[in-house]
Amino acid sequence: GDSVTQMEGPVTLSEEAFLTINCTYTATGYPSLFWYVQYPGEGLQLLLKATKADDKGSNKGFEATYRKETTSFHLEKGSVQVSDSAVYFCALSRAGRRALTFGSGTRLQVQP
Amino acid sequence: SAVISQKPSRDICQRGTSLTIQCQVDSQVTMMFWYRQQPGQSLTLIATANQGSEATYESGFVIDKFPISRPNLTFSTLTVSNMSPEDSSIYLCSVGEASGSADTQYFGPGTRLTVL
Repeated sequence: GDSVTQMEGPVTLSEEAFLTINCTYTATGYPSLFWYVQYPGEGLQLLLKATKADDKGSNKGFEATYRKETTSFHLEKGSVQVSDSAVYFCALSRAGRRALTFGSGTRLQVQP
Repeated sequence: SAVISQKPSRDICQRGTSLTIQCQVDSQVTMMFWYRQQPGQSLTLIATANQGSEATYESGFVIDKFPISRPNLTFSTLTVSNMSPEDSSIYLCSVGEASGSADTQYFGPGTRLTVL
């Protein structure tokens, strides 16, 4: 079946540091890939998405590139802020199974 | 994207009782889903809410425990029946929008349930 694997957290960084959160997936066919963010006490917000190989999703300084050869969709940001502290979820969907399959989530803590 | 609201936002319930959670969308959507997020965990799909027919449940979830209604394309309810402390979770509805080749899901704010 489909699965998404994320790096274990928490990830603790200082403000303005470079961020990478790794995400790899297993799925049949050609899934669409997503990053969602959950701020403390809130629901999930779509951060970015990519629908085919080599697509780059970007939003609010975050980027992720759909790499089919490595089945990866790593999230990056060049300079994190304290306000980026949240839990980040990698997810996929595909034709034939519209519901999302989520990774376990990675908690990011950014210190001033 | 669609604007999604859920009621209640949180509740504290006694063991053995039931709670119905409402999900309202400001536009007609084809796909609606219900997810559960247990404390400190990721999201698990409970079921797909189908308009005009019975919901499609995932393995490990049954209709008697989580009955779902979807009377139209903008509204759905999830009931958590005969609750136990293990049902304490955040319950989220989501809606799917088709855009080209991708289906993008947007989530409601969630209902935080505590069962004593």
